Amino acid sequence: EIVLTQSPDTLSLSPGEEATLSCWASPSIPSNNLAWYQQKPGQAPRLLITGASSRATGIPDRFSGSGSGTDFSLSISTLEPEDSALYFCQQYGSSPFTFGGGTKVQIK
Amino acid sequence: QVQLVESGGGLVKPGGSLRLSCVASGFTFSDYYMHWIRQAPGKGLESISYISSTSSYTKYADSVKGRFTISRDNAKSSLYLQLDSLKVEDTAVYYCARGGIVLRSWFDPWGQGTLVTVSS
Repeated sequence: EIVLTQSPDTLSLSPGEEATLSCWASPSIPSNNLAWYQQKPGQAPRLLITGASSRATGIPDRFSGSGSGTDFSLSISTLEPEDSALYFCQQYGSSPFTFGGGTKVQIK
Repeated sequence: QVQLVESGGGLVKPGGSLRLSCVASGFTFSDYYMHWIRQAPGKGLESISYISSTSSYTKYADSVKGRFTISRDNAKSSLYLQLDSLKVEDTAVYYCARGGIVLRSWFDPWGQGTLVTVSS
């Protein structure tokens, strides 16, 4: 089973700042099959990024993903108040498909 | 638009059973893998089961194996999860999600979730 570890647990930033969220995999993820999701309170997760770096349909270009193998990151440039949410990474390269523990982004 | 709507959650005693349903619309349901994912209160996400497009292949997380059964009815564009021998630790919001035409794909979209509470 591939274990995903996200850091930090919580990120508190001001509007307009840039957020960088990390996701480490052990062992490495085949074919960089990593997705990122955003979840707001009381809502289902929303797909942001697939294949480590491809934005899903309708996702603003201030969201970007990067990385390969074991080290991945999600960047949110120019934070907006509506970006306050929980962010999860997920690997779908090897069954069972697993999720990271999440990073909470708080907008000051 | 592509949509998934779950139902069937509720309060059940330990050892009890529930059947969750997920009705799909806006896409050709019979083409896709489908998944069930759960989220315990204040916790992260756990992928618990998936089923292939023709029901020929199913898989379960160790935490639910032997107690939960996934199924689908392509004629009704519906996905099901039978929950038996429920434990307190099964308390969670249960989401259905569309996978891909192939197994190794992301989950999109997700349903709104249905809450299962196991308590005496």
